[in-house]
Amino acid sequence: GQQVMQIPQYQHVQEGEDFTTYCNSSTTLSNIQWYKQRPGGHPVFLIQLVKSGEVKKQKRLTFQFGEAKKNSSLHITATQTTDVGTYFCAGILNQFYFGTGTSLTVIP
Amino acid sequence: DAGITQSPRHKVTETGTPVTLRCHQTENHRYMYWYRQDPGHGLRLIHYSYGVKDTDKGEVSDGYSVSRSKTEDFLLTLESATSSQTSVYFCAISELGGNTGELFFGEGSRLTVL
Repeated sequence: GQQVMQIPQYQHVQEGEDFTTYCNSSTTLSNIQWYKQRPGGHPVFLIQLVKSGEVKKQKRLTFQFGEAKKNSSLHITATQTTDVGTYFCAGILNQFYFGTGTSLTVIP
Repeated sequence: DAGITQSPRHKVTETGTPVTLRCHQTENHRYMYWYRQDPGHGLRLIHYSYGVKDTDKGEVSDGYSVSRSKTEDFLLTLESATSSQTSVYFCAISELGGNTGELFFGEGSRLTVL
């Protein structure tokens, strides 16, 4: 069946360091979405990527969708303590297929 | 935040008892979903609905049933709860479903089965 793998599962960074999480799908996706879940909270939509090779930025966050629409990445520049949480990708192919998430810890 | 309410927010029950979780939305969105979240597994789809009385299974549907008699309510029932169903359950809604719509999640319901 459809699978979306996400790595790493955990990441600890010093405040100010960069952070990247990667998603890979076994099949070509229609779109990919990214969500953030703060500790004890619920997932919140961040962004959707639709086009092959698309790159979108939200302040310090950069999202990329691969040329083959099978992989995606989220990069955070100069992490802050407010970035703490779990980041999920969701591959979309008539249904939402969530990655296992990357839990980010930022050490002040 | 989207108008999604889950109830109960916390429940402790014993093995073998029935449990029903309720998701109520005020957004009039067509699609509703039930996910469970467990460490190391991320969010796994249990069941979803694409309209009143229209439901379908997700990847982890065994032991769960759902009903949607009204647009605004989506019920998840565990007929006979087991310890493996201890989890955090999230309801989500979407206007457009698995095409371009984003998911809006409820606050979650934490279920412990002893």
